[in-house]
Amino acid sequence: GQQVMQIPQYQHVQEGEDFTTYCNSSTTLSNIQWYKQRPGGHPVFLIQLVKSGEVKKQKRLTFQFGEAKKNSSLHITATQTTDVGTYFCATGTASKLTFGTGTRLQVTL
Amino acid sequence: NAGVMQNPRHLVRRRGQEARLRCSPMKGHSHVYWYRQLPEEGLKFMVYLQKENIIDESGMPKERFSAEFPKEGPSILRIQQVVRGDSAAYFCASSPTDSVNQPQHFGDGTRLSIL
Repeated sequence: GQQVMQIPQYQHVQEGEDFTTYCNSSTTLSNIQWYKQRPGGHPVFLIQLVKSGEVKKQKRLTFQFGEAKKNSSLHITATQTTDVGTYFCATGTASKLTFGTGTRLQVTL
Repeated sequence: NAGVMQNPRHLVRRRGQEARLRCSPMKGHSHVYWYRQLPEEGLKFMVYLQKENIIDESGMPKERFSAEFPKEGPSILRIQQVVRGDSAAYFCASSPTDSVNQPQHFGDGTRLSIL
């Protein structure tokens, strides 16, 4: 089945620094979704990308889907403590989501 | 609008007992998915159901695990004769149609602990 790898596994930044997580697949993806999971919480849908080279922004968050549709990135500008959590990419087929391994973000003052 | 409702939030069982996890999808959603998350890991798909039908159970262990989504009532994930390795967070998600290009809405999960 499809496998989606994410790097880094963990990142610790100071508040105000930028953060990027990368999602890679060896196969072409029909879509990519991003979720955020707070510690002790459940995954919350952030965004979906379906087009080659697509870029979407949500305030300080920028999402990209690669031209070959094999990779994606999530960039957070000027992190805040509220950004703490694990960020997962996921790709959907008709029956399920396949989640990436996740990047855990820690933000300190 | 109520979101996806899961209960119980926390469940403690002794080895050999049965665990029943319940999930009520969002109103208007007829597609239910179950995922398992081990500590410090990502979510792994278990099973996808529509009303009265199991559509994809490729992620379900072959023994001891079963799922249903009856015509009336919540979806149930049942684990018989639990073992320590079953300790995990079990998340249910729902969507109005299937997963292609469709976000899933997750419940708060059931944290299962096996003594």
